[in-house]
Amino acid sequence: NAGVTQTPKFQVLKTGQSMTLQCAQDMNHNSMYWYRQDPGMGLRLIYYSASEGTTDKGEVPNGYNVSRLNKREFSLRLESAAPSQTSVYFCASSEVTVGGMRGQETQYFGPGTRLLVL
Amino acid sequence: QKEVEQDPGPLSVPEGAIVSLNCTYSNSAFQYFMWYRQYSRKGPELLMYTYSSGNKEDGRFTAQVDKSSKYISLFIRDSQPSDSATYLCAMVNFGNEKLTFGTGTRLTIIP
Repeated sequence: NAGVTQTPKFQVLKTGQSMTLQCAQDMNHNSMYWYRQDPGMGLRLIYYSASEGTTDKGEVPNGYNVSRLNKREFSLRLESAAPSQTSVYFCASSEVTVGGMRGQETQYFGPGTRLLVL
Repeated sequence: QKEVEQDPGPLSVPEGAIVSLNCTYSNSAFQYFMWYRQYSRKGPELLMYTYSSGNKEDGRFTAQVDKSSKYISLFIRDSQPSDSATYLCAMVNFGNEKLTFGTGTRLTIIP
């Protein structure tokens, strides 16, 4: 099992350019997440998808869009990149536990994408 | 004030020492507590999780939760250079199903 994979590993963009970060998981998890990690800020949730066909905003969704392509894949799009979006982006997936809880406690993370916006 | 506070360090200790990592939180709705380990340029990986107050042990690692003080700890016994990483605490508020991370403590074990 590869777990959670992300592409690309590193990207440099100019302000105003667009790009899509790709994420895939092979653990048959229902829920998938996109985070950004910045120094002194910790991990902040951008968007999440509780199940195939659904997406919801997290803490910092502005400037981003997502697509849950199928159960395996969850992409993050920057339509017009800004220097404030320079960060490390992590995708994660989790099991869905019984009792209605989303199983967030068992999140598995990908290796991250380092994005620099000039 | 952040909901979860964690000293960013850095913390350097000699090999074999006992390490204590801590987080405090302000929201009593947090019910589930986790510790993640993150090596440099890697994604976080789950180390331990617990629901209840008290201690939970897994090998050299012990997670401790004190809900009355809103304080959680991770102890590492017989620390090894391979334990050098950033440790993030995380908490789940089942009321709104929100997961909140601490900012992480950078730990270095000196051989």
